[in-house]
Amino acid sequence: KNQVEQSPQSLIILEGKNCTLQCNYTVSPFSNLRWYKQDTGRGPVSLTIMTFSENTKSNGRYTATLDADTKQSSLHITASQLSDSASYICVVSANSNYQLIWGAGTKLIIKP
Amino acid sequence: GAGVSQSPSNKVTEKGKDVELRCDPISGHTALYWYRQSLGQGLEFLIYFQGNSAPDKSGLPSDRFSAERTGGSVSTLTIQRTQQEDSAVYLCASSFKVGTEAFFGQGTRLTVV
Repeated sequence: KNQVEQSPQSLIILEGKNCTLQCNYTVSPFSNLRWYKQDTGRGPVSLTIMTFSENTKSNGRYTATLDADTKQSSLHITASQLSDSASYICVVSANSNYQLIWGAGTKLIIKP
Repeated sequence: GAGVSQSPSNKVTEKGKDVELRCDPISGHTALYWYRQSLGQGLEFLIYFQGNSAPDKSGLPSDRFSAERTGGSVSTLTIQRTQQEDSAVYLCASSFKVGTEAFFGQGTRLTVV
């Protein structure tokens, strides 16, 4: 069964600290993996998208990694800011690209 | 428009009533998706439209749910005889074509009382 699991479920860190969010998936055949940021009450916004051949991709203070062998991805946030408080969702698509399998997300809270 | 627009932003309805949710995709986007997000859960795929092709309805949870896309642009998701378990945020997204980045609207929060 195609599944995406994320950990931790929630995370609280102090402003300025770094953090890493994890994503494990069992989706086959794999097409690409995306990380989305969803602010409360808003739709998800894409942060990164990686295909099978990509190991790492950065978007400002966000760096995503992908290990297609172990089917794991991580999202690293550097020098966190209060505005980073949101849910971060890992999404994996199979070759039927429009059917995206969504993780439940990690709720990140940045405290001043 | 500049982004995907959904209306209404909030809808409270009585159990058993029908509701219509509207989505205006980004102009020129041929692909349109509907998702449902229950509290604390991941997004659940409902239906997908691509151009003039027949939509993929495989995610619709029951025959009370239907959707149409008129003129390849605006889409309406209809839920008939609403039930309390239908309460969720319904998100619409569009993309230039399948496989390209999907842009989401802010969603419609549906509450069935």
